[in-house]
Amino acid sequence: AQSVTQLDSQVPVFEEAPVELRCNYSSSVSVYLFWYVQYPNQGLQLLLKYLSGSTLVKGINGFEAEFNKSQTSFHLRKPSVHISDTAEYFCAVSDWGAQKLVFGQGTRLTINP
Amino acid sequence: GAGVSQSPSNKVTEKGKDVELRCDPISGHTALYWYRQSLGQGLEFLIYFQGNSAPDKSGLPSDRFSAERTGGSVSTLTIQRTQQEDSAVYLCASSLEAGGRETQYFGPGTRLLVL
Repeated sequence: AQSVTQLDSQVPVFEEAPVELRCNYSSSVSVYLFWYVQYPNQGLQLLLKYLSGSTLVKGINGFEAEFNKSQTSFHLRKPSVHISDTAEYFCAVSDWGAQKLVFGQGTRLTINP
Repeated sequence: GAGVSQSPSNKVTEKGKDVELRCDPISGHTALYWYRQSLGQGLEFLIYFQGNSAPDKSGLPSDRFSAERTGGSVSTLTIQRTQQEDSAVYLCASSLEAGGRETQYFGPGTRLLVL
């Protein structure tokens, strides 16, 4: 069964610093990959997704992620974070032919001034 | 346009009582999903609907959990004889069509507390 590992449960960074949130998935079967963000007391919002093609995917709010098939990874990056990026970030995977999303445990990003 | 809505936003119930949670998907979305978000288990898939049928119920944790969808729109998740371990945030999502490549749009959730 597919599983998703987000290696860091919490990531504190200073404002305007770069950040990388790591995500690895287990299955070598072809997959679709997603990053969702959950702001405090809000629902999940899609940041970006990888379906096929270019391995570098750009999303909203200046985030991007890179799909690496050989390492089964889909790490999320932003070159310069803002206070407003404080949220929990979830990596999710869907196998081809499947409907459900399998989520990682989430990474809480805290931005310090 | 309107997003996915869920009601109630919060529900407190006593152990052993039944609860019903409601989800209104985005208009025109044919696929609907229920997930559960809890401290110990993270985000877990519960059930998925395509139209009014549920091809995948594999995530329902016990036979106390059931769900239905009527008219290809509104869905209700019912938990019978609630237990304290059912306390969680129940999230509903919808997508235009079924399929792993489709973006799922999430509602704000129903926070359930079982005392």
